[in-house]
Amino acid sequence: GNSVTQMEGPVTLSEEAFLTINCTYTATGYPSLFWYVQYPGEGLQLLLKATKADDKGSNKGFEATYRKETTSFHLEKGSVQVSDSAVYFCALSHNNAGNMLTFGGGTRLMVKP
Amino acid sequence: KAGVTQTPRYLIKTRGQQVTLSCSPISGHRSVSWYQQTPGQGLQFLFEYFSETQRNKGNFPGRFSGRQFSNSRSEMNVSTLELGDSALYLCASRLTVSGGADEQFFGPGTRLTVL
Repeated sequence: GNSVTQMEGPVTLSEEAFLTINCTYTATGYPSLFWYVQYPGEGLQLLLKATKADDKGSNKGFEATYRKETTSFHLEKGSVQVSDSAVYFCALSHNNAGNMLTFGGGTRLMVKP
Repeated sequence: KAGVTQTPRYLIKTRGQQVTLSCSPISGHRSVSWYQQTPGQGLQFLFEYFSETQRNKGNFPGRFSGRQFSNSRSEMNVSTLELGDSALYLCASRLTVSGGADEQFFGPGTRLTVL
């Protein structure tokens, strides 16, 4: 079946540091890939998405590129802020599974001033 | 446009009881999905409803059930509650079910605690 693996946290960074959160997936064909963010006490918000190989999703300074050859969708940001502190989830959807979302385990990011 | 709303936000029940959670999707959205979030198992898909029909179901026991009404509002029910059912239950809505890239919009969740 489909699965998503992402690096375990917590990831602790100082403000303005570079962020990478690794995400790899297992699925046949070409799933759609997503990054969601969850702030304390809230539901999930879509951060960015990519639907085909080599697509780059971007939003609010975050970027991720759909790499079919390495089955990866790593999240990056050049300069994190304290307000980026949250839990980040990598996810995929595939029409072989009714387009439901399959999530990774989540990575907590803590940014210190 | 109002977002996805879930009621109640917090709930405390005891083992053996049953519970009903409610979700109102974004206006115009016809698909509603439910997910369970726990520290141990992470985010797991429960089921999806579209036009009052269950179109997809995750790997959960029959104690977990749901339904969708003609106005697209959805309820999920858990019977004979167990301690392990303590979780954040998230509802998500989307416009259609035709494409895998359709964005799902999540509500704030209902925090269920089973004592």
